[in-house]
Amino acid sequence: TQLLEQSPQFLSIQEGENLTVYCNSSSVFSSLQWYRQEPGEGPVLLVTVVTGGEVKKLKRLTFQFGDARKDSSLHITAAQPGDTGLYLCAGARTGTASKLTFGTGTRLQVTL
Amino acid sequence: GAGVSQSPSNKVTEKGKDVELRCDPISGHTALYWYRQSLGQGLEFLIYFQGNSAPDKSGLPSDRFSAERTGGSVSTLTIQRTQQEDSAVYLCASSLDRNSYNEQFFGPGTRLTVL
Repeated sequence: TQLLEQSPQFLSIQEGENLTVYCNSSSVFSSLQWYRQEPGEGPVLLVTVVTGGEVKKLKRLTFQFGDARKDSSLHITAAQPGDTGLYLCAGARTGTASKLTFGTGTRLQVTL
Repeated sequence: GAGVSQSPSNKVTEKGKDVELRCDPISGHTALYWYRQSLGQGLEFLIYFQGNSAPDKSGLPSDRFSAERTGGSVSTLTIQRTQQEDSAVYLCASSLDRNSYNEQFFGPGTRLTVL
């Protein structure tokens, strides 16, 4: 059973476009993280959100945690080729903070 | 400072052989995790170590998989009698404290190919 579904699965856009990636679940999470992974490397943490409704910004990236803490979104403004990679959300469930559940992943390609 | 390191970076083996994958976590990190990633997809949890507590083995797919962590630091993931479906990237991660938000730091992974 996949607890965290990401959409879209694949996204190919041109430089300068905006995009949103969604991470959805029927389960409540105590916190949710977003990672980016580049080919041949391990995932790198981008942000952690912990409060329902929380919005965090990291330069051109905006992360939001749903009010009910069951979903999250990542919005990228004016995408650049350096944003290319696999984006993964990961949730820590209440009572099991030691184990993360990873989403299915969204592969983003940004071309010139 | 040094990050999480894994060795080997690539491993090609024949079906039925045993393999050992090594992970060196960040110094001082008490928690260590192993994940499996197939075809650039999401991560599948395998096993979790925290200090001297009994490991959480709930993600191991079969009894051919085992892992140990010696001295609270280096960890080895062993796959016995490898099968072609074991081919994947095996990722190791460490984190500072289970009571934090469990922000994990990943190594580069070991790409395992079973022929």
